[in-house]
Amino acid sequence: AQRVTQPEKLLSVFKGAPVELKCNYSYSGSPELFWYVQYSRQRLQLLLRHISRESIKGFTADLNKGETSFHLKKPFAQEEDSAMYYCAPADNYGQNFVFGPGTRLSVLP
Amino acid sequence: GAVVSQHPSRVICKSGTSVKIECRSLDFQATTMFWYRQFPKQSLMLMATSNEGSKATYEQGVEKDKFLINHASLTLSTLTVTSAHPEDSSFYICSARSGGYSYEQYFGPGTRLTVT
Repeated sequence: AQRVTQPEKLLSVFKGAPVELKCNYSYSGSPELFWYVQYSRQRLQLLLRHISRESIKGFTADLNKGETSFHLKKPFAQEEDSAMYYCAPADNYGQNFVFGPGTRLSVLP
Repeated sequence: GAVVSQHPSRVICKSGTSVKIECRSLDFQATTMFWYRQFPKQSLMLMATSNEGSKATYEQGVEKDKFLINHASLTLSTLTVTSAHPEDSSFYICSARSGGYSYEQYFGPGTRLTVT
């Protein structure tokens, strides 16, 4: 069955500290991987996708097919990074998204 | 950027009545729209995928006769909750995709449904 785990419900770090939000998935085939973010009182929006291999707002994510993980990292967290982060694999057609439970990142001043 | 709107933003209805939620792509044509449900402090759960002009594909466990989805145009999809019950109270979110090789989904702001 398709499944996504994000082990931390809440992750608190101090400003300037490195941050890693973990994501492990179980998904048939070779899924595409995405990270979505929801800032306070805003709608869900795409943060980054594996196929683009981009760095967005300083965030990167490495796909490890062997460990079926897609952890999100940023070397120096900023207060404006505080938000809810969802890991989401999807099929090759960009459909059948499965959203993880989410991790709330709180960056403290 | 691509904008998706939902209407209404919140609705209260009585048990047994039906309520319709609209999802519109304002500045692009959405070949595919998705409907999600989100319970308090939980993640999004995909309910159904709809492609313009064809029947929606429902996820396992989602009653298609209860949650009617219509995607009649490239800019509008509707979700109708029929014979609503209090357990249908939830946050309903739609998203839209323009198709082609773009995988990005643009999300609406969500609709809070409360059934009394």
